[in-house]
Amino acid sequence: GQQLNQSPQSMFIQEGEDVSMNCTSSSIFNTWLWYKQDPGEGPVLLIALYKAGELTSNGRLTAQFGITRKDSFLNISASIPSDVGIYFCAGQGRKTSYDKVIFGPGTSLSVIP
Amino acid sequence: DGGITQSPKYLFRKEGQNVTLSCEQNLNHDAMYWYRQDPGQGLRLIYYSQIVNDFQKGDIAEGYSVSREKKESFPLTVTSAQKNPTAFYLCASRTSGSNEQYFGPGTRLTVT
Repeated sequence: GQQLNQSPQSMFIQEGEDVSMNCTSSSIFNTWLWYKQDPGEGPVLLIALYKAGELTSNGRLTAQFGITRKDSFLNISASIPSDVGIYFCAGQGRKTSYDKVIFGPGTSLSVIP
Repeated sequence: DGGITQSPKYLFRKEGQNVTLSCEQNLNHDAMYWYRQDPGQGLRLIYYSQIVNDFQKGDIAEGYSVSREKKESFPLTVTSAQKNPTAFYLCASRTSGSNEQYFGPGTRLTVT
């Protein structure tokens, strides 16, 4: 079945640094969603992308829908301690029924003050 | 305040007992979902429902049951047949025509 891969699996950065992470698939996706999950809480939707090449920002976060439609990227600028958490990508692809999305395994972000 | 509520936040049960997790939403969303998350893992779909009185199995439905008698509510029962029930359970919902799922705060179930 369809799978999503996220890289890196984990990252440790200094406060103030920029962060980049990505999500890839072997098949085409129609929708990309990026979520952040704080420890012990439910994921919160950060950004939704619907068109190839689309670039969308939410504060210090910017996400892009890859041109090939097989990947998506999330960037965080000027990281702060509250950015700590797990970032999940999710997607709805051609081989996925419309009412479901597939989740990636997550990227764990740690910010060192 | 519109949102999704799950209760309780923490739940403890003895092995062999069934337990029901609550999920309520006042977002007027049509579809609701249950996911299971194990430590350091992603989300795995247990069951989902697109409309009242209808639901479908997800990828790991064995040992679980659900009902959807009201649009606002989608309770999940973890039965004694579920071999490894200890996990973090997340409920989500979405409106028709959108892929965007919104999550509740989760229930951490511990079975000993």
